[in-house]
Amino acid sequence: EIVLTQTPGTLSLSPGEGATLSCRASQTLDSRYFAWFQQRPGQAPRLLIYGAATRATGIPDRFSGSGSGADFILTITRLEPEDFAVYYCQQYGISPFTFGPGTKVEFK
Amino acid sequence: DVQLLASGGGLVQPGGSLRLSCATSGFTFTSSAMSWVRQAPGKGLEWVSTIRGRGDSRYYRGSVKGRFTISRDNSNNTLFLQMNSLRPEDTAVYYCAKHGGGWGTDVIDLWGQGTMVAVSS
Repeated sequence: EIVLTQTPGTLSLSPGEGATLSCRASQTLDSRYFAWFQQRPGQAPRLLIYGAATRATGIPDRFSGSGSGADFILTITRLEPEDFAVYYCQQYGISPFTFGPGTKVEFK
Repeated sequence: DVQLLASGGGLVQPGGSLRLSCATSGFTFTSSAMSWVRQAPGKGLEWVSTIRGRGDSRYYRGSVKGRFTISRDNSNNTLFLQMNSLRPEDTAVYYCAKHGGGWGTDVIDLWGQGTMVAVSS
């Protein structure tokens, strides 16, 4: 099973600041099958990024994804109040299709 | 509008069974793989199972293999999860999720609101 490790566990920031979230896999991944999801409190998750770097429909351009191999990054420039949430990475290339444990972006 | 409406959750004793359903609309059901993903209270997301659009391949996480069965009714645009031999560690909100294509390796592009399953005596 591919294990995904997300760092940091919690990120304390203020609106307007930037955020860098990391996800490291236990083995090299095909970046075509790597995604980021956002989950706000009390809501279902939402797709942000797929194929490591492609924004999903309707996702603002302050969200960007990068990376390859075993290391992937989600960058959020200029945090908006609605961006304070938990972010999960997922690999969907090899079953079991694992998620990372999540990074919580909280108000500082 | 695309809709995914999960139902069938509830309180069940250890060893019991439940059948979850996910009624869908607004997209071509047979063109989308479908998944169940669960989230224990206060915890992260955990992939459970995926079925391809045509229903010809199914994937399971190890801890549910042999106990859970994913299926779909492509005539009625509905996804199911039959859960047998339930354990307390199966307690979670179960989300049904739509993939962007018919293969299990297409990304999940939409999530339903989930249904709560509690396994306790």
